[in-house]
Amino acid sequence: QQQVKQSPQSLIVQKGGISIINCAYENTAFDYFPWYQQFPGKGPALLIAIRPDVSEKKEGRFTISFNKSAKQFSLHIMDSQPGDSATYFCAALNTGNQFYFGTGTSLTVIP
Amino acid sequence: NAGVTQTPKFQVLKTGQSMTLQCAQDMNHNSMYWYRQDPGMGLRLIYYSASEGTTDKGEVPNGYNVSRLNKREFSLRLESAAPSQTSVYFCASRERQGRANTGELFFGEGSRLTVL
Repeated sequence: QQQVKQSPQSLIVQKGGISIINCAYENTAFDYFPWYQQFPGKGPALLIAIRPDVSEKKEGRFTISFNKSAKQFSLHIMDSQPGDSATYFCAALNTGNQFYFGTGTSLTVIP
Repeated sequence: NAGVTQTPKFQVLKTGQSMTLQCAQDMNHNSMYWYRQDPGMGLRLIYYSASEGTTDKGEVPNGYNVSRLNKREFSLRLESAAPSQTSVYFCASRERQGRANTGELFFGEGSRLTVL
């Protein structure tokens, strides 16, 4: 059973467009929600993260929107660039020190 | 600064063979993790170690064993490899940031294992 559900599986966006990736969870014990970016042949690396007491967090072109009541959170990439082409994973951390990851979204930004 | 180092990077095994994946981190982190990554399945937790001397099962522990050798090293062993264990394996480490339960996961570059 997937603890964190992520969509879409793949996404193609024109350069300069907005990329949006969505995640949903059921377990209310989760209290930390990071997004990871992975390039081919590399390990995932932290992109941005949010705690559930905040509804939005922005770092440069990357924004997390968090809806605690709906148990959903999303990543928005503004002004998407070809260098943003990668696989993105949402994740959730429970109080027991376990991270659960979504299934990933392959983003392609077309020049 | 090496971060998280995994060895080997590539390995081919025959069904029934055993092997150990090694992981070491130089960031003095307390927690270490082993994940497997399969297409369409994301990253799934195999085992983790919250601190030196402790290990716990994750989502998919069957067919694996782990050893937290010391604070730096956390190894993953396949006793009798099966084709279903063909995957990319990632080791990660983390230091919990105080009472807020935040703290970034740092990943190694992965070990690609093929079981024939």
